[in-house]
Amino acid sequence: AQSVTQLGSHVSVSEGALVLLRCNYSSSVPPYLFWYVQYPNQGLQLLLKYTSAATLVKGINGFEAEFKKSETSFHLTKPSAHMSDAAEYFCAAANTGNQFYFGTGTSLTVIP
Amino acid sequence: DVKVTQSSRYLVKRTGEKVFLECVQDMDHENMFWYRQDPGLGLRLIYFSYDVKMKEKGDIPEGYSVSREKKERFSLILESASTNQTSMYLCASSRRERNYGYTFGSGTRLTVV
Repeated sequence: AQSVTQLGSHVSVSEGALVLLRCNYSSSVPPYLFWYVQYPNQGLQLLLKYTSAATLVKGINGFEAEFKKSETSFHLTKPSAHMSDAAEYFCAAANTGNQFYFGTGTSLTVIP
Repeated sequence: DVKVTQSSRYLVKRTGEKVFLECVQDMDHENMFWYRQDPGLGLRLIYFSYDVKMKEKGDIPEGYSVSREKKERFSLILESASTNQTSMYLCASSRRERNYGYTFGSGTRLTVV
């Protein structure tokens, strides 16, 4: 069965510091992977997605994620945090069986 | 710009009322979904639909029903609202192949008093 695990329900970083949000998936078949961002009282917005074309995926707002099959990971990074990055981030996975799974989310706080 | 539109951003309803949450998408997507989101619980799937007039129960369907009479519209119905249904409700749609990802609406924050 496919599942998605996000390590750390809350992450705090200083403004200008590296952002690293962790996501691991469980599957014997590499899935399609996504990161979504949710600002307060809004819906989820797609940040980026991996669909087996390239292992390093660049998304909006300076975020990127790297697919590592050996580690079954798809961690989200941004070199320098901005105050506007404060939000909830969700990792998600879809497999060829047309199932879609969300992680439980990571709340990012940016400290000025 | 493609969109999923939820009819209300904020709703306040009384216990026992029948509540309709509406969702419309303009992407000709086959699949539509209703989730509720509560602090610490992430996204929980209530119902989804993969075609007109088709529906499938998700993880937490109790107390809810849905209607999909047209491809672009998916309604969530709370037959008799209760305070434990106070939540953020998110509608999403996707192509039949879900690996293209989901598109979400802006959400409806429902308070039942």
